Amino acid sequence: GAVVSQHPSWVICKSGTSVKIECRSLDFQATTMFWYRQFPKQSLMLMATSNEGSKATYEQGVEKDKFLINHASLTLSTLTVTSAHPEDSSFYICSARVTGTGGAGTEAFFGQGTRLTVV
Amino acid sequence: GNSVTQMEGPVTLSEEAFLTINCTYTATGYPSLFWYVQYPGEGLQLLLKATKADDKGSNKGFEATYRKETTSFHLEKGSVQVSDSAVYFCALSDQAGTALIFGKGTTLSVSS
Repeated sequence: GAVVSQHPSWVICKSGTSVKIECRSLDFQATTMFWYRQFPKQSLMLMATSNEGSKATYEQGVEKDKFLINHASLTLSTLTVTSAHPEDSSFYICSARVTGTGGAGTEAFFGQGTRLTVV
Repeated sequence: GNSVTQMEGPVTLSEEAFLTINCTYTATGYPSLFWYVQYPGEGLQLLLKATKADDKGSNKGFEATYRKETTSFHLEKGSVQVSDSAVYFCALSDQAGTALIFGKGTTLSVSS
């Protein structure tokens, strides 16, 4: 199957600094990628939809100035957590779906996730 | 709007026990349904899927049948193993290219 690679897998940063997380589709082109946040023992919360060459679409309640998303190519989307604070500590996961045949039944592929800890 | 409801966990079973994790959905139209599994510290992997009513998805001994009349997609396995311990997510999609909608996840713990 298709592969989505996310980097880094874990990061510790100081409060007030910024952290960039990369999400790459390794063997397919992804015009759209999705960023999720997962809290302990809870489901995945969709943060935003990343569109190649245009602005991301953010879900209600997600601060677009804090969580900057850039999708500059068909294989790379980045999420930058700006001025991070301890409450931003979480598990962030990216996802992409292969376009083409399959419609709504097309599988979504996920990165391995990034564990962010802000101290 | 569309939504997925799955049973609260955790589910604790002994090895070789029968597993059922309930999942129901609300959607307009005819969505595709998925089960994903997340092992500790990892991303999600597709376990199985079904794209139309009465379809049965199966993989690694797990099965789920798309029941339109009860809007359900329950996950079952006849004999669980310790290695099945993970978090299981039910999800739906009603359009290509959009984000999947997930249930809250059910943690399964299997002991030997």
